Amino acid sequence: QVQLQESGPGLVKPSETLSLTCTVSGGSISNYYWSWIRQAPGKGLECIGYIYNTGSTYYNPSLKSRVTISLDTSKNQFSLKLSSVTAADTAVYYCGRVGDYALKDWGQGTLVTVSS
Amino acid sequence: EIVLTQSPGTLSLSPGESATLSCRASQSVSSTSLAWYQQKPGQAPRLVIYGASTRATGIPDRFSGSGSGTDFTLTISRLEPEDFAVYYCQHFGSSLWTFGQGTKVEIK
Repeated sequence: QVQLQESGPGLVKPSETLSLTCTVSGGSISNYYWSWIRQAPGKGLECIGYIYNTGSTYYNPSLKSRVTISLDTSKNQFSLKLSSVTAADTAVYYCGRVGDYALKDWGQGTLVTVSS
Repeated sequence: EIVLTQSPGTLSLSPGESATLSCRASQSVSSTSLAWYQQKPGQAPRLVIYGASTRATGIPDRFSGSGSGTDFTLTISRLEPEDFAVYYCQHFGSSLWTFGQGTKVEIK
């Protein structure tokens, strides 16, 4: 079973860029779709976007102007950058592996707080 | 954009009882692209059902999924203490992936 682990700063200042990395183990990142999902405190799940091994990406329209998802096959990692963050971007950020039209594997999640 | 509406918001049941959770789509969706997740406090979501009715690896057979078109159901028969959690449905569209708002199954 594939394992995923998010890493990155837990605190980001308003207007700066949130950067997270998801390291994949137990499988090659060169297959499947890979996704970022977030969950604001006490709220539901929101898909941020996804990337395929070809590099093709999809971003949630509500975040599209601020989001970049990229793949690093040499490190078996994929990354998330979210620019111009505000307090509304405070959330637990999860990375996930997509298979059979479902998020089959999830990272444990990392809390990112936007505050000065 | 397809909107998924889950009901009820909260289900209060006792262990041993059965739970029926509903997920209604704003327009018809493919059963292939409908999934259910379980989330416990402080934990990442866990895939329970995909393809509307296929149990994920390690999911006990008391969990079952059904439905087609706009109406989908997750049934948990004989609730065990570890089943009390929040459940989300999700649709994988061709370009937009959306989640329902969740149903909390709580101990009565």
